Amino acid sequence: QQQVKQSPQSLIVQKGGIPIINCAYENTAFDYFPWYQQFPGKGPALLIAIRPDVSEKKEGRFTISFNKSAKQFSLHIMDSQPGDSATYFCAASTTGTASKLTFGTGTRLQVTL
Amino acid sequence: KAGVTQTPRYLIKTRGQQVTLSCSPISGHRSVSWYQQTPGQGLQFLFEYFSETQRNKGNFPGRFSGRQFSNSRSEMNVSTLELGDSALYLCASSLVGGTGIEQYFGPGTRLTVT
Repeated sequence: QQQVKQSPQSLIVQKGGIPIINCAYENTAFDYFPWYQQFPGKGPALLIAIRPDVSEKKEGRFTISFNKSAKQFSLHIMDSQPGDSATYFCAASTTGTASKLTFGTGTRLQVTL
Repeated sequence: KAGVTQTPRYLIKTRGQQVTLSCSPISGHRSVSWYQQTPGQGLQFLFEYFSETQRNKGNFPGRFSGRQFSNSRSEMNVSTLELGDSALYLCASSLVGGTGIEQYFGPGTRLTVT
Protein backbone atom coordinates (compact mmCIF):
# COMPACT_ATOMS: atom_id res chain seq x y z
CA GLN A 1 0.00 0.00 0.00
CA GLN A 2 1.56 3.23 -1.16
CA GLN A 3 0.81 5.75 1.54
CA VAL A 4 2.62 8.72 0.00
CA LYS A 5 2.06 9.51 -3.67
CA GLN A 6 4.54 11.84 -5.35
CA SER A 7 4.35 13.61 -8.70
CA PRO A 8 5.68 14.29 -11.22
CA GLN A 9 8.15 11.47 -11.74
CA SER A 10 10.50 13.80 -13.58
CA LEU A 11 10.71 17.52 -14.21
CA ILE A 12 12.81 19.75 -16.44
CA VAL A 13 12.96 23.49 -15.80
CA GLN A 14 15.16 26.32 -16.98
CA LYS A 15 17.50 28.10 -14.64
CA GLY A 16 15.56 30.62 -12.59
CA GLY A 17 12.32 28.68 -12.88
CA ILE A 18 10.25 27.43 -9.96
CA PRO A 19 9.82 23.66 -10.03
CA ILE A 20 6.95 22.36 -7.93
CA ILE A 21 6.79 18.80 -6.63
CA ASN A 22 3.60 17.49 -5.11
CA CYS A 23 2.85 14.77 -2.58
CA ALA A 24 -0.37 13.35 -1.19
CA TYR A 25 -0.76 11.11 1.80
CA GLU A 26 -3.46 8.81 3.08
CA ASN A 27 -2.65 8.21 6.72
CA THR A 28 -4.16 11.02 8.79
CA ALA A 29 -1.91 10.04 11.68
CA PHE A 30 1.11 11.40 9.81
CA ASP A 31 2.30 14.58 11.47
CA TYR A 32 5.84 15.13 10.22
CA PHE A 33 6.64 15.77 6.55
CA PRO A 34 10.29 16.12 5.47
CA TRP A 35 11.77 16.57 2.02
CA TYR A 36 15.05 15.00 1.02
CA GLN A 37 17.44 15.73 -1.85
CA GLN A 38 19.58 12.96 -3.26
CA PHE A 39 22.47 13.24 -5.69
CA PRO A 40 23.76 10.18 -7.58
CA GLY A 41 25.96 8.03 -5.39
CA LYS A 42 24.97 9.87 -2.22
CA GLY A 43 22.50 9.30 0.58
CA PRO A 44 19.39 11.48 0.88
CA ALA A 45 20.03 14.84 2.53
CA LEU A 46 17.36 16.52 4.64
CA LEU A 47 16.23 19.77 2.99
CA ILE A 48 13.29 21.06 4.94
CA ALA A 49 10.45 19.65 7.03
CA ILE A 50 7.02 20.75 8.18
CA ARG A 51 4.43 19.78 10.74
CA PRO A 52 0.68 20.10 10.06
CA ASP A 53 0.14 23.03 12.41
CA VAL A 54 1.59 25.42 9.80
CA SER A 55 0.58 25.91 6.17
CA GLU A 56 3.92 27.10 4.82
CA LYS A 57 7.59 26.99 5.73
CA LYS A 58 10.52 28.61 3.95
CA GLU A 59 14.21 27.86 4.24
CA GLY A 60 16.37 29.70 1.77
CA ARG A 61 15.10 28.98 -1.73
CA PHE A 62 13.01 26.00 -0.59
CA THR A 63 9.37 26.35 0.46
CA ILE A 64 6.93 23.72 1.67
CA SER A 65 3.22 24.36 1.28
CA PHE A 66 0.92 22.16 3.35
CA ASN A 67 -2.82 21.58 2.97
CA LYS A 68 -4.04 19.47 5.85
CA SER A 69 -7.65 19.17 4.67
CA ALA A 70 -6.56 17.94 1.25
CA LYS A 71 -3.79 15.78 2.74
CA GLN A 72 -1.33 17.27 0.31
CA PHE A 73 2.00 19.05 0.55
CA SER A 74 4.40 20.42 -2.01
CA LEU A 75 7.96 21.62 -2.44
CA HIS A 76 8.75 24.80 -4.36
CA ILE A 77 12.32 25.66 -5.35
CA MET A 78 12.72 29.37 -6.01
CA ASP A 79 15.25 30.64 -8.55
CA SER A 80 16.32 27.10 -9.40
CA GLN A 81 19.95 26.51 -10.35
CA PRO A 82 21.71 23.73 -12.30
CA GLY A 83 23.17 22.58 -8.97
CA ASP A 84 19.63 21.77 -7.81
CA SER A 85 19.48 18.96 -10.36
CA ALA A 86 18.87 15.90 -8.20
CA THR A 87 16.15 13.50 -7.11
CA TYR A 88 13.75 14.82 -4.51
CA PHE A 89 11.79 12.66 -2.12
CA CYS A 90 8.90 13.63 0.09
CA ALA A 91 8.28 11.56 3.19
CA ALA A 92 5.92 11.31 6.13
CA SER A 93 5.92 9.82 9.58
CA THR A 94 4.02 9.83 12.82
CA THR A 95 5.20 11.27 16.09
CA GLY A 96 5.56 8.65 18.73
CA THR A 97 7.82 5.93 19.91
CA ALA A 98 7.59 3.85 16.77
CA SER A 99 7.81 6.26 13.87
CA LYS A 100 9.34 5.45 10.51
CA LEU A 101 9.64 7.45 7.32
CA THR A 102 7.34 6.49 4.49
CA PHE A 103 8.79 7.87 1.27
CA GLY A 104 7.27 9.02 -1.98
CA THR A 105 8.61 7.53 -5.19
CA GLY A 106 10.88 10.46 -5.98
CA THR A 107 11.05 13.22 -8.60
CA ARG A 108 14.07 13.57 -10.82
CA LEU A 109 14.65 17.28 -11.38
CA GLN A 110 16.84 18.68 -14.12
CA VAL A 111 17.57 22.39 -14.21
CA THR A 112 18.92 23.51 -17.58
CA LEU A 113 20.91 26.63 -18.40
CA LYS B 1 30.65 17.01 13.66
CA ALA B 2 31.11 13.95 11.48
CA GLY B 3 28.09 12.64 9.61
CA VAL B 4 26.70 9.14 9.46
CA THR B 5 29.26 6.67 8.20
CA GLN B 6 28.59 3.32 6.61
CA THR B 7 30.96 0.49 5.80
CA PRO B 8 31.67 -0.99 3.43
CA ARG B 9 30.57 1.34 0.65
CA TYR B 10 30.41 -1.40 -1.96
CA LEU B 11 29.94 -5.13 -1.63
CA ILE B 12 29.54 -7.99 -4.06
CA LYS B 13 28.16 -11.26 -2.75
CA THR B 14 26.94 -14.51 -4.22
CA ARG B 15 23.39 -15.79 -3.88
CA GLY B 16 23.01 -17.84 -0.71
CA GLN B 17 25.75 -16.05 1.22
CA GLN B 18 25.17 -13.73 4.13
CA VAL B 19 26.34 -10.16 4.61
CA THR B 20 26.82 -7.72 7.49
CA LEU B 21 26.69 -3.97 7.00
CA SER B 22 27.80 -1.43 9.55
CA CYS B 23 26.59 2.04 10.47
CA SER B 24 28.07 4.63 12.83
CA PRO B 25 25.58 7.37 13.71
CA ILE B 26 26.29 11.04 14.26
CA SER B 27 27.88 11.53 17.67
CA GLY B 28 25.18 11.85 20.30
CA HIS B 29 22.48 10.31 18.16
CA ARG B 30 20.86 7.31 19.78
CA SER B 31 18.46 6.15 17.10
CA VAL B 32 19.49 4.30 13.97
CA SER B 33 17.13 3.34 11.17
CA TRP B 34 17.85 1.23 8.12
CA TYR B 35 16.30 1.62 4.67
CA GLN B 36 16.58 -0.29 1.40
CA GLN B 37 16.60 1.69 -1.84
CA THR B 38 15.93 0.05 -5.19
CA PRO B 39 14.82 1.49 -8.54
CA GLY B 40 11.65 -0.56 -8.46
CA GLN B 41 10.51 -0.23 -4.85
CA GLY B 42 12.11 3.08 -3.92
CA LEU B 43 13.05 3.76 -0.32
CA GLN B 44 11.63 1.24 2.11
CA PHE B 45 11.98 1.14 5.88
CA LEU B 46 13.67 -1.94 7.29
CA PHE B 47 13.91 -1.33 11.05
CA GLU B 48 14.78 1.16 13.74
CA TYR B 49 16.95 0.71 16.81
CA PHE B 50 17.03 2.90 19.88
CA SER B 51 19.03 2.15 23.02
CA GLU B 52 19.94 -1.29 21.69
CA THR B 53 16.28 -2.24 21.21
CA GLN B 54 14.43 -2.71 17.96
CA ARG B 55 11.47 -0.35 18.17
CA ASN B 56 9.91 -0.74 14.76
CA LYS B 57 10.18 -3.09 11.85
CA GLY B 58 9.15 -2.84 8.22
CA ASN B 59 7.70 -5.52 5.99
CA PHE B 60 10.81 -7.49 5.21
CA PRO B 61 11.42 -11.22 5.69
CA GLY B 62 13.25 -12.55 8.72
CA ARG B 63 16.42 -12.90 6.65
CA PHE B 64 16.93 -9.22 7.39
CA SER B 65 18.01 -8.55 10.95
CA GLY B 66 19.89 -5.95 12.86
CA ARG B 67 21.32 -4.96 16.17
CA GLN B 68 22.60 -1.91 17.97
CA PHE B 69 25.50 -1.68 20.33
CA SER B 70 25.88 0.35 23.51
CA ASN B 71 27.79 3.05 21.60
CA SER B 72 24.77 3.37 19.23
CA ARG B 73 26.64 1.83 16.30
CA SER B 74 24.42 -0.55 14.38
CA GLU B 75 24.78 -3.51 12.10
CA MET B 76 22.33 -5.14 9.78
CA ASN B 77 22.63 -8.68 8.53
CA VAL B 78 21.06 -10.33 5.53
CA SER B 79 21.23 -14.10 5.42
CA THR B 80 20.71 -16.41 2.45
CA LEU B 81 21.09 -13.62 -0.06
CA GLU B 82 18.78 -13.47 -3.06
CA LEU B 83 19.30 -11.63 -6.33
CA GLY B 84 16.49 -9.27 -5.33
CA ASP B 85 18.46 -8.12 -2.31
CA SER B 86 20.71 -6.10 -4.59
CA ALA B 87 20.13 -2.54 -3.45
CA LEU B 88 21.54 0.52 -1.78
CA TYR B 89 21.22 0.06 1.97
CA LEU B 90 20.96 3.33 3.84
CA CYS B 91 21.37 4.03 7.48
CA ALA B 92 19.92 7.12 9.14
CA SER B 93 20.48 8.47 12.61
CA SER B 94 18.47 10.85 14.74
CA LEU B 95 18.97 12.46 18.08
CA VAL B 96 16.09 10.86 19.91
CA GLY B 97 14.36 8.59 17.44
CA GLY B 98 10.80 7.44 17.07
CA THR B 99 9.41 10.92 17.46
CA GLY B 100 9.55 12.34 13.97
CA ILE B 101 12.76 14.11 14.73
CA GLU B 102 15.04 14.74 11.77
CA GLN B 103 16.84 11.75 10.36
CA TYR B 104 20.23 12.14 8.73
CA PHE B 105 21.34 9.60 6.18
CA GLY B 106 24.71 8.08 5.48
CA PRO B 107 26.08 7.50 1.97
CA GLY B 108 24.82 3.93 1.88
CA THR B 109 26.29 0.53 1.10
CA ARG B 110 25.77 -0.66 -2.45
CA LEU B 111 25.16 -4.42 -2.30
CA THR B 112 25.26 -6.46 -5.47
CA VAL B 113 24.16 -10.09 -5.32
CA THR B 114 25.27 -12.29 -8.22
